[in-house]
Amino acid sequence: KQEVTQIPAALSVPEGENLVLNCSFTDSAIYNLQWFRQDPGKGLTSLLLIQSSQREQTSGRLNASLDKSSGRSTLYIAASQPGDSATYLCAAALSEAAGNKLTFGGGTRVLVKP
Amino acid sequence: KAGVTQTPRYLIKTRGQQVTLSCSPISGHRSVSWYQQTPGQGLQFLFEYFSETQRNKGNFPGRFSGRQFSNSRSEMNVSTLELGDSALYLCASSSGYQNEQFFGPGTRLTVL
Repeated sequence: KQEVTQIPAALSVPEGENLVLNCSFTDSAIYNLQWFRQDPGKGLTSLLLIQSSQREQTSGRLNASLDKSSGRSTLYIAASQPGDSATYLCAAALSEAAGNKLTFGGGTRVLVKP
Repeated sequence: KAGVTQTPRYLIKTRGQQVTLSCSPISGHRSVSWYQQTPGQGLQFLFEYFSETQRNKGNFPGRFSGRQFSNSRSEMNVSTLELGDSALYLCASSSGYQNEQFFGPGTRLTVL
């Protein structure tokens, strides 16, 4: 069964520290991977989309990398702020046939302490 | 540009009833996908519609169904509600095949 895993499930960092969030997937045939942010009780906000042909994407303080051979994606958030506190989810289209079907990881709940 | 909208935002139903949820995608987007989010199972894919046709389906019972209209708006129906159907139902829209997906705020369904 193709899976997407996020470890740890939760982490807490002091304000200003860089955040490193991990996402693992079982199939190197992944087609694309998207990172989302979810605030409690809210919908998902798209952060970055990485196509399988790309190795990284950047937006402001956010940088996401994709390594298909090792089955890993990493989201870096530079100089974290209390407003970055949220749950971060990665989701993958695990094959070309998957189309717009995303398989989600369980998420990492982040707390940035002032 | 308006984002993805979902109505209603909150619903309370009793077991055995049926419910219909609505999703309006971003203007110009023709793909609408539906997901169920629960604390125990996380986010799970229900189905995707593109140009009024179901293009993909997840592993949910036949009580869960959907449709898409010519204006790309989509509805999801759940019949014979069970307590386990209590969840946040999210829809996402996309401009095409495996493009970035944008989610709505969700409909919180509570089954009593």
